[in-house]
Amino acid sequence: GEEVAQTPKHLVRGEGQKAKLYCAPIKGHSYVFWYQQVLKNEFKFLISFQNENVFDETGMPKERFSAKCLPNSPCSLEIQATKLEDSAVYFCASSHITGAGNTIYFGEGSWLTVV
Amino acid sequence: AQKVTQAQTEISVVEKEDVTLDCVYETRDTTYYLFWYKQPPSGELVFLIRRNSFDEQNEISGRYSWNFQKSTSSFNFTITASQVVDSAVYFCALSEAEGSSNTGKLIFGQGTTLQVKP
Repeated sequence: GEEVAQTPKHLVRGEGQKAKLYCAPIKGHSYVFWYQQVLKNEFKFLISFQNENVFDETGMPKERFSAKCLPNSPCSLEIQATKLEDSAVYFCASSHITGAGNTIYFGEGSWLTVV
Repeated sequence: AQKVTQAQTEISVVEKEDVTLDCVYETRDTTYYLFWYKQPPSGELVFLIRRNSFDEQNEISGRYSWNFQKSTSSFNFTITASQVVDSAVYFCALSEAEGSSNTGKLIFGQGTTLQVKP
């Protein structure tokens, strides 16, 4: 598609439940990024993929968070046993090639609320 | 360590005023890129501009202009004759381009909330 498509737009989970977010990158884009925006302002890089391979996972919390990009499927970000502090907007982004300077296009975000 | 600072948390102006949003960055790389994104109340992130570290020419796009000063590590954004539709949170971001840093990862500033009143 012509835009990064994220689903769901809103997700509410009770503490301890699992949350799974999906992202379809722009058609032809090989790189996918996940960012977490907390408190409306702070962006935190989580993980990036080159096709189905993890490219950079330096921002990914070691526990409870996992992500995949499988062929012919939307990418996913899963949070096991959610906590209140996981409440945030999760943005997926994609780019055609990697490296600094490439324009990264963002989806509209998935708003996760943990209650 | 790399860092982007947007010292202005919130700015309020009246329509038609000019407004400048400040962005100061820190990086050890000599090759890097700077970006501005707009996040309107609807929540999406809209790409505004990308600038590489070797191009210090200022850029103008309609009512928007950007002033890149390597000597002060700043990449400021000016909106001329502001309009209500400019109300949004604006983010400055840095992407490093050397060696293992060259992954395309963006380091964001804290954002500046701009409110333009009619």
